Amino acid sequence: DVKVTQSSRYLVKRTGEKVFLECVQDMDHENMFWYRQDPGLGLRLIYFSYDVKMKEKGDIPEGYSVSREKKERFSLILESASTNQTSMYLCASSLTFGEQYFGPGTRLTVT
Amino acid sequence: AQTVTQSQPEMSVQEAETVTLSCTYDTSENNYYLFWYKQPPSRQMILVIRQEAYKQQNATENRFSVNFQKAAKSFSLKISDSQLGDTAMYFCAFGRAETSGSRLTFGEGTQLTVNP
Repeated sequence: DVKVTQSSRYLVKRTGEKVFLECVQDMDHENMFWYRQDPGLGLRLIYFSYDVKMKEKGDIPEGYSVSREKKERFSLILESASTNQTSMYLCASSLTFGEQYFGPGTRLTVT
Repeated sequence: AQTVTQSQPEMSVQEAETVTLSCTYDTSENNYYLFWYKQPPSRQMILVIRQEAYKQQNATENRFSVNFQKAAKSFSLKISDSQLGDTAMYFCAFGRAETSGSRLTFGEGTQLTVNP
């Protein structure tokens, strides 16, 4: 079974802090994705990566950056957290195309 | 750009009954995939069923089946013999069949509650 893990289930940070969300997958997938999930808006793509050191902006990249130094690990970085970044963050991975496999999510609260 | 619309924010059904969740999408692509994902209160997103656009036959997975109408760009999910464990948020998703970097576009979700 594909396993995608995220570093934290819950996280509370203060405005202006730098925040790192880590995601690791164990199935040698090429693609990795970061989404945020907000009520009534579904899942919105922040960034994705199709190879090591490669990244592409999604629909809402502002205020975020990503890093993929190893194939199995994809990090989401909030350079200076703001209250409007309070949300659920979901990481996913996939082969070249097709279904994505999701991690358990991180509920981030910025106060 | 692709869009996916789920017009039913909330639905409820009695245990053992059948319920259908609606999804429509808009695309100019001819080769693509469609998915239904389930997110229970535990938050773990789980793939329920997938459909390849080139296949005319509707996909089925146990109690879950789809009605795929390519010309109408409609992709509904039918859950038969509903169980309490089916209570979850359900997301419809569209994905292009590309060689790399394929992303999914998700609908807004439908919260399904199965009542005892």
